[in-house]
Amino acid sequence: TQLLEQSPQFLSIQEGENLTVYCNSSSVFSSLQWYRQEPGEGPVLLVTVVTGGEVKKLKRLTFQFGDARKDSSLHITAAQPGDTGLYLCAVSSGTYKYIFGTGTRLKVLA
Amino acid sequence: ETGVTQSPTHLIKTRGQQVTLRCSSQSGHNTVSWYQQALGQGPQFIFQYYREEENGRGNFPPRFSGLQFPNYSSELNVNALELDDSALYLCASSLGGYTDTQYFGPGTRLTVL
Repeated sequence: TQLLEQSPQFLSIQEGENLTVYCNSSSVFSSLQWYRQEPGEGPVLLVTVVTGGEVKKLKRLTFQFGDARKDSSLHITAAQPGDTGLYLCAVSSGTYKYIFGTGTRLKVLA
Repeated sequence: ETGVTQSPTHLIKTRGQQVTLRCSSQSGHNTVSWYQQALGQGPQFIFQYYREEENGRGNFPPRFSGLQFPNYSSELNVNALELDDSALYLCASSLGGYTDTQYFGPGTRLTVL
């Protein structure tokens, strides 16, 4: 059973379009992180959300933590080819330290 | 400030062999975590080392073992390699603490034939 389910798995869009990716779980978390991973590199932390209902913005990226702290979304406005990559959500969970979601692979076409 | 580095970049082994992967943590970081990332999947936590002691382990068999050295660099050893061990192995370092920010290296791509 996957603790964190991300959707969609794959997304291919044109430059300038908006998109939202989701990270869902049946468990409650004290915090949740979003990472972006580009080919040949390790994941890079984008943001950490800690409060239910919290919204954080990073340029064209908007992150929201669900009110019940079970889910999160990442919205990208006016996507650019540089946004291409694998988007991962992750939570801290006891002994297992960090658990990552299944990932959403985004491709933005010029 | 030097980031997290890993070596080698790529490695090809055959079933039954043993492999050692290396990680140099970011300057000042005393905690290192190792992850396995299969193709098309998110990273899976293998174990974490804090000041040379194992500080948490994921659901991996004992043939996955590790070390952390006094300079906080780390090794991941895998014995009796299996085909399913083919993956990207990521190392991440942090300052320590339960939810501290992790900084990932570029990974070692291991192929088991």
